[in-house]
Amino acid sequence: TQLLEQSPQFLSIQEGENLTVYCNSSSVFSSLQWYRQEPGEGPVLLVTVVTGGEVKKLKRLTFQFGDARKDSSLHITAAQPGDTGLYLCAGGSKSTFGDGTTLTVKP
Amino acid sequence: GAVVSQHPSWVICKSGTSVKIECRSLDFQATTMFWYRQFPKQSLMLMATSNEGSKATYEQGVEKDKFLINHASLTLSTLTVTSAHPEDSSFYICSARAPGDQTDTQYFGPGTRLTVL
Repeated sequence: TQLLEQSPQFLSIQEGENLTVYCNSSSVFSSLQWYRQEPGEGPVLLVTVVTGGEVKKLKRLTFQFGDARKDSSLHITAAQPGDTGLYLCAGGSKSTFGDGTTLTVKP
Repeated sequence: GAVVSQHPSWVICKSGTSVKIECRSLDFQATTMFWYRQFPKQSLMLMATSNEGSKATYEQGVEKDKFLINHASLTLSTLTVTSAHPEDSSFYICSARAPGDQTDTQYFGPGTRLTVL
């Protein structure tokens, strides 16, 4: 069974601060996905990373896939209240999900 | 593209009744759909994999006679919660993979909030 561990589980920061969320596993994944979910809604795909060492940027969000394809990180620059939500990493043919990181950005 | 819808978005039912939730892929055909359950402030828990034209594959600990899944067409999968009880109250989310996508990316529906009284 492929497991994904996310850290931190909860993060509360002020608007304008930077943050990084980590997604780690002992297993190799052919790809990893990052999703953002707001209360009462389904997860929305942010990015899929496929190649080891790959870096993808989505406005203020930077996603990195580890060289060995066992881990990934999400970095948010100058966080805004609109970034508040549950961030989930997922991977594998059965989409194993990490436990999620609940981010709260205070104005 | 890759839009998935769910219906209803929320439902309240009495204990002992059955509830059907529909999951549709709107702009693509999905041979495989997935059903998840999510409790408050927790991550998604895979319940079953729904395969068009064949029986669903259930995860360990998920009662197949309790959660009936039917994937009768390439755009529709249904989850029926039979003889619902308050402990079945949860947020149910379906997802699908786009055809030809070589990654494991899934596209999720907006979820269905089930409350059993």
